[in-house]
Amino acid sequence: GIQVEQSPPDLILQEGANSTLRCNFSDSVNNLQWFHQNPWGQLINLFYIPSGTKQNGRLSATTVATERYSLLYISSSQTTDSGVYFCAVESIANAGKSTFGDGTTLTVKP
Amino acid sequence: DTEVTQTPKHLVMGMTNKKSLKCEQHMGHRAMYWYKQKAKKPPELMFVYSYEKLSINESVPSRFSPECPNSSLLNLHLHALQPEDSALYLCASSYLPGTGSTEAFFGQGTRLTVV
Repeated sequence: GIQVEQSPPDLILQEGANSTLRCNFSDSVNNLQWFHQNPWGQLINLFYIPSGTKQNGRLSATTVATERYSLLYISSSQTTDSGVYFCAVESIANAGKSTFGDGTTLTVKP
Repeated sequence: DTEVTQTPKHLVMGMTNKKSLKCEQHMGHRAMYWYKQKAKKPPELMFVYSYEKLSINESVPSRFSPECPNSSLLNLHLHALQPEDSALYLCASSYLPGTGSTEAFFGQGTRLTVV
């Protein structure tokens, strides 16, 4: 099946700093999503981005499908941004089956 | 409305009990999913229903039995679970016909403890 690798595994920032999270995948995809999991376990949709670039406030994401990676940018980080960020992909070969990366745990310190 | 509702939020059950987890969505999605998530791990796919038919079973033990009574509801029946089955169980839905979108939305999960 498709392999999904996220980096870095852990990231500690001071409030106000910027960061870039990366998701590499091993096969062609027809779906890629970024989620933020809060401390209560809820997976919050950030971006549905199989290709291209999107922005939502302080967050933006870019997926380069031909090179099999996606980037999530967080600018002017806040303590409420802390949590685990997951990339989930669905390969064309296995439509309907999403595979999650291991996540990046972000800690933003005041 | 982009809400997927799961009940209960927390469940403690003994190894001989029978219980059910419930999931509901009203977004018109025609695919629904069960995931299992252990602490500090990513969610792992268990089952996929497409148009109310089971399309993917990721070799899940038979003590977990899914059911999709209609396009809005998804159940997970639990029987004779083991302590290692304790985890966060997440429901998701996706696929809106006519739009091409496969964006998935997750419920808040059921935190299950087997004693």
